[in-house]
Amino acid sequence: QVQLQESGPGLVKPSETLSLTCAVSGYSISSGYYWGWIRQPPGKGLEWIGSIYRSGNTYYNSSLKSRVTISVDTSKNQFSLKLSSVTAADTAVYYCARHTTNYGWADYWGQGTLVTVSS
Amino acid sequence: EIVLTQSPGTLSLSPGERATLSCRASQSVSSSFLAWYQQKPGQAPRLLIYGASSRGTGIPDRFSGSGSGTDFTFTISRLEPEDFAVYYCQHYGTSLLTFGGGTKVEIK
Repeated sequence: QVQLQESGPGLVKPSETLSLTCAVSGYSISSGYYWGWIRQPPGKGLEWIGSIYRSGNTYYNSSLKSRVTISVDTSKNQFSLKLSSVTAADTAVYYCARHTTNYGWADYWGQGTLVTVSS
Repeated sequence: EIVLTQSPGTLSLSPGERATLSCRASQSVSSSFLAWYQQKPGQAPRLLIYGASSRGTGIPDRFSGSGSGTDFTFTISRLEPEDFAVYYCQHYGTSLLTFGGGTKVEIK
């Protein structure tokens, strides 16, 4: 059974960098798929942040591209998100997910982690 | 960039009734790249439909999807108490993942 688990600080100060990690079990990242980050502000809809392939190729939402870095560590079977210069608008539940490379549907998701941006 | 518009924003129905949700794309898309998810409060989204009409693993057959081009429909034939949730459509394209704004199906 594929499982994803997000981890990282739940509180980040404005202007600082948000850092999260997604640990994957039950499937090797090196075997394929895209590995992505999606966020959901409180009471709002889903927003794709970006995704990474096992090769390290990354794809980012154009609206966040200047602030986002996604990396992968295949030896630890995990991938990470860094979002710089955060503001209150970045407060959200952050999900990691696996999605197919051919048709894009996301079949496995982490439980999500709430990150609040506040001083 | 593809924009997905879901309607209605909220659907108030009773258990046993039929729910019909719409997802309209700003330009024609391949149905292969259209998926539907269910999200309950405090939970991650769950894949229900992929390729516009194929049910995900273990998804009951009361859930179905159809459509092509710019207009896609998600249907729950008979609402069960556990089906009251928010539903999102999603497209996969050059901008990678795009989500619709969601439709909340609430108990009337």
